[in-house]
Amino acid sequence: KQEVTQIPAALSVPEGENLVLNCSFTDSAIYNLQWFRQDPGKGLTSLLLIQSSQREQTSGRLNASLDKSSGRSTLYIAASQPGDSATYLCAVVNAGNNRKLIWGLGTSLAVNP
Amino acid sequence: DAGITQSPRHKVTETGTPVTLRCHQTENHRYMYWYRQDPGHGLRLIHYSYGVKDTDKGEVSDGYSVSRSKTEDFLLTLESATSSQTSVYFCAISESTSPETQYFGPGTRLLVL
Repeated sequence: KQEVTQIPAALSVPEGENLVLNCSFTDSAIYNLQWFRQDPGKGLTSLLLIQSSQREQTSGRLNASLDKSSGRSTLYIAASQPGDSATYLCAVVNAGNNRKLIWGLGTSLAVNP
Repeated sequence: DAGITQSPRHKVTETGTPVTLRCHQTENHRYMYWYRQDPGHGLRLIHYSYGVKDTDKGEVSDGYSVSRSKTEDFLLTLESATSSQTSVYFCAISESTSPETQYFGPGTRLLVL
């Protein structure tokens, strides 16, 4: 059974710092992996989607990498800003016909001015 | 942002009463999902729909039923609410060509006393 783990559960950094969020999964047979952002009291927004054949995806100050063989993904945030404060969730889709997302518990990020 | 609304946004009810949550989309997407989010459990899929009148169970479907009579509406019903169903409920939608790319509604916070 696929399990997704995110470490750390919470992170507090000063503004301007570069940071890395981690996601690990137990079954390397995945179809893709996504990183989402969740703001308090709001829904989730997809940030980056990495297909199983890809190694990384970039969007602005965000870079997500995928190492399928080791069951790991990282989300790198450059030059963090207070507006980046949110919970970041990782989700994987297993290979096969079942295209359901399997979620981690998230990392709660606070960027302090 | 994808056009997804959820109603009500907040609800307090008593144990044993029926509750219906509504998800409405204006994107004409084929797939619709209901999740619940609880501390320590992350997001868990309750039910999903792959077309009008076509629904299937997720991982935590006990105590919940759904209906989809129109493309744009997906209803989640708690037949007899219990305190364990206190949660935040999210609706999501996705297109048939990329079902794992899901767009989320703002959530409904339900408290069962």
